[in-house]
Amino acid sequence: AQRVTQPEKLLSVFKGAPVELKCNYSYSGSPELFWYVQYSRQRLQLLLRHISRESIKGFTADLNKGETSFHLKKPFAQEEDSAMYYCAPGTGRRALTFGSGTRLQVQP
Amino acid sequence: EPEVTQTPSHQVTQMGQEVILRCVPISNHLYFYWYRQILGQKVEFLVSFYNNEISEKSEIFDDQFSVERPDGSNFTLKIRSTKLEDSAMYFCASKGDGGGTGELFFGEGSRLTVL
Repeated sequence: AQRVTQPEKLLSVFKGAPVELKCNYSYSGSPELFWYVQYSRQRLQLLLRHISRESIKGFTADLNKGETSFHLKKPFAQEEDSAMYYCAPGTGRRALTFGSGTRLQVQP
Repeated sequence: EPEVTQTPSHQVTQMGQEVILRCVPISNHLYFYWYRQILGQKVEFLVSFYNNEISEKSEIFDDQFSVERPDGSNFTLKIRSTKLEDSAMYFCASKGDGGGTGELFFGEGSRLTVL
C-alpha cells in the first residue's frame, strides 16, 4: 500500500533560517514525487516535482530512492513561505497520495 | 489563467440529506478527481474519473457516493444520504496530461457541514 510520512505537523522557524520539511514514502513502482503548498485561504497548488529538478521560490527537493525520501529544503526562509506543505507521490494516471502535511510558520 | 471552480463554497445540510457538489474542471483536461479533507486531517483521495467512467476509487468512496460528468463541463460528486462524518472540505482537481503523472490543478474546495 502507498504511504507517505511527513513526521512534523508544525515546523516553526525564524526568518532567514534554513528549513527542511521531511517526507518519506512507501510506494510500489517508481513514483513521481511532488510537493504541493496551500497558502492561507488559497487552493492547493503545485510547488515542485522531482523530475523537473528546478528550484521554485528558493525551494529544492532531492529524491533519494535508497532512503525513499523527498525532503523539501530552503536555505533562508521568508515570512511569505508560511503555509501547509504536502508531499505526494504518484504514478501514471493514478491519483496522488498526499501526506498529512507540515505547517511551516516563519516568524519575523 | 484557467482555474478549477467549485460550488458551493460552503453547504450546511441535515444528516440523511442528499448533497451534490459541483466542479468545473479546466476545459481541455481529461482526468478528474475528488479529494476530501476532514478538519485537522490529511487530504484523502476519493475517486478519479477518465473517459466518462471511474478509473480508481478509494475505500472511502462507498455506495453513498457517486460521480457524474453530465454535460461535458461539470463534474459532480453526490452523497446520497449524508452522515456526520461526511463533514469535510471536498476538493475537485483536474489534470490534462495524457500519459505521465502531470500536475493536478485544484479548486478552492467546498466545505460540507452535516448537522
